Parts: sequence; C-alpha cells; structure tokens
Amino acid sequence: GAGVSQSPSNKVTEKGKDVELRCDPISGHTALYWYRQRLGQGLEFLIYFQGNSAPDKSGLPSDRFSAERTGESVSTLTIQRTQQEDSAVYLCASSPHYLSGGAVDTQYFGPGTRLTVL
Amino acid sequence: DQQVKQNSPSLSVQEGRISILNCDYTNSMFDYFLWYKKYPAEGPTFLISISSIKDKNEDGRFTVFLNKSAKHLSLHIVPSQPGDSAVYFCAAKGGGADGLTFGKGTHLIIQP
Repeated sequence: GAGVSQSPSNKVTEKGKDVELRCDPISGHTALYWYRQRLGQGLEFLIYFQGNSAPDKSGLPSDRFSAERTGESVSTLTIQRTQQEDSAVYLCASSPHYLSGGAVDTQYFGPGTRLTVL
Repeated sequence: DQQVKQNSPSLSVQEGRISILNCDYTNSMFDYFLWYKKYPAEGPTFLISISSIKDKNEDGRFTVFLNKSAKHLSLHIVPSQPGDSAVYFCAAKGGGADGLTFGKGTHLIIQP
C-alpha cells in the first residue's frame, strides 16, 4: 500500500520565483493537511482540506501562499515570489476522515519537500 | 508564541533504560494530544495519542501520561531500544484549529 508521496523531494529556487509543490495522499483519505518545518522549529500548520468543503487557510503565512486540491486526490501548494524565509521542509499529511467532537483521526505524513530559496 | 513546548532539544538514554520525553502546553482548549516520531529524511509517523479526558494511555513499550492541571504530558519508552533513536514531536489538537500544533521536537539518542 502506497503512503503519502510528495514531489519534488528537493527544490532549490531563486528569490522571487514561484514554486509548486505536489502531494499525493493515501487513496481514500478525505482529509489533507499541509505543514512546514523551518530549521530548528516544530511543524507549522498551513492549510487543511476536507472533502469538498471550503479549505481552512488559517495557517497560511501570507497571500503569496495558496493551495488547491482536486476532489479527494492530489494537492498542490504554490508559493509565489519566494523569499528566503520560505526555506523549509514542506510536509503533507492525509487522514481517512475528519472526526467531530474532539476525536482525532491519525494523520499520515509524506517525506516532505525541502525548499531552499537562494 | 509557542503553545506546545518541548524544552529539551535532546536526550541521551542508555539502551534498556527508560526514556522520558516531556511536553508542556499553554492552550487549555487543546483536547487531544499526540506523539510523532521522525527519522531523518522521512515524514513524522504517529506513535501514540491521548484524549484530554484520560490521564494515561499505554501501547506496548510506549505510555503517554497527561496531567491537565499542570498542562503537561510525557512519553515513556521502556525499555529503550536503538531503533528508538529519532526526533519525537509532541502535538496537540483543539482550540478551533483544524491542524495540529507541534512542539519543536526532542532528539532522543539511545546509547548501546
């Protein structure tokens, strides 16, 4: 069974360029999350997709960040006009479904994309 | 402002002994807590979790303890094995956020 996959595994870009990161969740998982981890920091929540509901974008650090998800499949995270502070590992996670009432469904993480902005 | 804090960046434990990883939180709205383990170049993998209505959850060598009044949780690993060497992240859910709030991690090193 395939886990969460992400591409590319590494991306080096110049300041000011746009980048697009891809996440393939586990088949059948309705919930998808993006996080980033900057050097020496914990994981920072960015955005959450659940089925066809409007995404929770509350964690996006600026309007240069956006994400899309087609149905319950692939998601792309786009960073426009990249800055050096965007350098981080970007992690995607998926879970089978969202549970209400405080219960939490286990999130399964991909290996991440290491983004370096020069 | 860090809502989930892991104050020990690293911890070294002898093989066979108990490893205790600590985590403190500030948001009283958190209602679920999780521990993830991360090896280099891999994504975090889920280890164990606990609901805020409980004070202990055990799974094999892993036990998580929650002290709500102190806003503190800990992960106990006994006996520690070489394969346990990894970075351990404490995470919390709740407070209106859909995503998890993570600590900075503790690098556990198991020495032979």
